[in-house]
Amino acid sequence: EPEVTQTPSHQVTQMGQEVILRCVPISNHLYFYWYRQILGQKVEFLVSFYNNEISEKSEIFDDQFSVERPDGSNFTLKIRSTKLEDSAMYFCAIRDIYEQYFGPGTRLTVT
Amino acid sequence: AQSVAQPEDQVNVAEGNPLTVKCTYSVSGNPYLFWYVQYPNRGLQFLLKYITGDNLVKGSYGFEAEFNKSQTSFHLKKPSALVSDSALYFCAVRDLGSNTGKLIFGQGTTLQVKP
Repeated sequence: EPEVTQTPSHQVTQMGQEVILRCVPISNHLYFYWYRQILGQKVEFLVSFYNNEISEKSEIFDDQFSVERPDGSNFTLKIRSTKLEDSAMYFCAIRDIYEQYFGPGTRLTVT
Repeated sequence: AQSVAQPEDQVNVAEGNPLTVKCTYSVSGNPYLFWYVQYPNRGLQFLLKYITGDNLVKGSYGFEAEFNKSQTSFHLKKPSALVSDSALYFCAVRDLGSNTGKLIFGQGTTLQVKP
């Protein structure tokens, strides 16, 4: 099973601040995804990333969000100006033919 | 629109008894279906998938799932539950309207296995 790590495990930030969440897949994959899970709710798709560019994004993924793969291995999600409603678990995932493998998540708390 | 429903918020079962966690889907086409498990403060772990072929698929930790096309269901099962199976279970379907393979998740079912 492909391994995915995420850092930090927990991030607390003040409203309006920028945060960067990081994902490191241990092996090479082409498709990357970010999902989020607001506490007590279902997992929601944010964005997919293929061949170093965004291939699909949800309506949640507005101009405050961006993704990039700056060095060919790390895959980052940036939220430019956090809002209270951005508080959630953020999961990175990679795709292996059909199934996706998820990282342990970053818990983002916006105060 | 494609969707997945898990009709039960919580399922309670005694250790050693069989368990079933229900999932129904609505897709336009042949579905790719998945089950994931989430332990407290952990990520989503892949359990099993149905792509094509045999309607009964086997996965990790002794879990299996039965694909039923006529009932549009993909229920997760285990013959004998363990206390350690207690977790949050998510059914998911690949969005066939997407060319990126994104997943659409159900709302999750909490499985509580009592000793």
